[in-house]
Amino acid sequence: ETGVTQTPRHLVMGMTNKKSLKCEQHLGHNAMYWYKQSAKKPLELMFVYNFKEQTENNSVPSRFSPECPNSSHLFLHLHTLQPEDSALYLCASSRAAGGTYNEQFFGPGTRLTVL
Amino acid sequence: AQTVTQSQPEMSVQEAETVTLSCTYDTSESDYYLFWYKQPPSRQMILVIRQEAYKQQNATENRFSVNFQKAAKSFSLKISDSQLGDAAMYFCAYSRDFGNEKLTFGTGTRLTIIP
Repeated sequence: ETGVTQTPRHLVMGMTNKKSLKCEQHLGHNAMYWYKQSAKKPLELMFVYNFKEQTENNSVPSRFSPECPNSSHLFLHLHTLQPEDSALYLCASSRAAGGTYNEQFFGPGTRLTVL
Repeated sequence: AQTVTQSQPEMSVQEAETVTLSCTYDTSESDYYLFWYKQPPSRQMILVIRQEAYKQQNATENRFSVNFQKAAKSFSLKISDSQLGDAAMYFCAYSRDFGNEKLTFGTGTRLTIIP
C-alpha cells in the first residue's frame, strides 16, 4: 500500500444528501490533493492544499467543499450533487513545494454513485 | 495549456513478450517532467517511472523503460518480459514541476496480459 487511505471505499447517495469523503496520509507529507476520475476521461485535479492552505481550485463547483484541518487529513464535503458527479475520487499526498522531486502517492479512491 | 494524449485505449500482450504504450503531449515549457502511472484493478495508483525533460538519457526501472523524444513531444513506455501482474490501466502524466504543480493526465491505456 502507498500510505494513503481513503474512506469510504464506496458511496451511494441521493442528490439531496450530504456526505463527506475522508483521506488520511501516514507519510509525513505536507501537500494533499483531490482528483476526479471519470470513465474515459483524464484524471482531473480538483484541489491542492499545501501546509493546510488551499493553493489550487480547478474551477470546481461549490457543491464540492474541501477541508484540510491538518497536514495528515483531507476531507471532501458533498452536497446536492448531480448524477454526472458519479466517479472515482482519488486523494494523493506529497512533500510540499520545494526544489526537489516530490512524488505524489495516491489513495485507493472512493467510488461515488449519485442517484 | 498542457495536454497529454494516449491514443491506445486498450492494448494486449502475450506473457513474457514486450509491449510499448504510446503517449504524446503538448507544452510550451522547456523544463518539465513526465511520468507513467499504473493503476491495477481495484488497487492504488503507483508511479512506474519518471523522466526529467532536461535529461537526454531515457529512464529505466527494471523491466520498464521509456523512449523520450523531446522534439517530437513523445514519451512511450516499454514493458519487457510482460508478467500477469503488469495488467492494469497505465496513465501518462505531465508536470511543469515535481509534485508541487498539478499533474495533467492522459485518458489511460488498459493493458491486458495474455497467459
